[in-house]
Amino acid sequence: ETGVTQTPRHLVMGMTNKKSLKCEQHLGHNAMYWYKQSAKKPLELMFVYSLEERVENNSVPSRFSPECPNSSHLFLHLHTLQPEDSALYLCASSISGGATDTQYFGPGTRLTVL
Amino acid sequence: DAKTTQPPSMDCAEGRAANLPCNHSTISGNEYVYWYRQIHSQGPQYIIHGLKNNETNEMASLIITEDRKSSTLILPHATLRDTAVYYCIVRVRKNQGGKLIFGQGTELSVKP
Repeated sequence: ETGVTQTPRHLVMGMTNKKSLKCEQHLGHNAMYWYKQSAKKPLELMFVYSLEERVENNSVPSRFSPECPNSSHLFLHLHTLQPEDSALYLCASSISGGATDTQYFGPGTRLTVL
Repeated sequence: DAKTTQPPSMDCAEGRAANLPCNHSTISGNEYVYWYRQIHSQGPQYIIHGLKNNETNEMASLIITEDRKSSTLILPHATLRDTAVYYCIVRVRKNQGGKLIFGQGTELSVKP
């Protein structure tokens, strides 16, 4: 499944680093999502972009900063993270307002904060 | 969005049908039932969804009871590659991108 790609697949960073996660969808969708999955916990929605506008921000700390420059690309900028931010970060996309809004997920970025 | 209840784990023999139940007794009339699965450390994979009629695709069948308070996902001939956590989600389809609320799911183990 290569409809939604994420890079890097694995990332190790220190608490003072700045890094970015990238998501790209090749499905012609116009809504994109960031989810976080911590160990042994369900997926949690972080951000939703629809038609390149942020429509939902689920009380996420400001050390996570999303960016959606166009309908095919989504970034998650990370700075001064904490060890408890270590998790699998998943990107998804869907068609907003269409006949179906099924979300399709990327493979995720496994983030470790030291 | 309505809450769902699923058994935490199930076993299934390879080649047999896997029937995964889900209770959603507080579902409202405009909420759909979605099923996703997540193979270890990968992104969730969409399987199927329905409103009130039974649905079938190349992956699975979805049986929804007449009162819509429960549903069953059926994998007709389970293989080892079907070992995963299966999530049942009920939600309203929204115009501006609707969020999925994941629970704990059912961990299905397909055994040889």
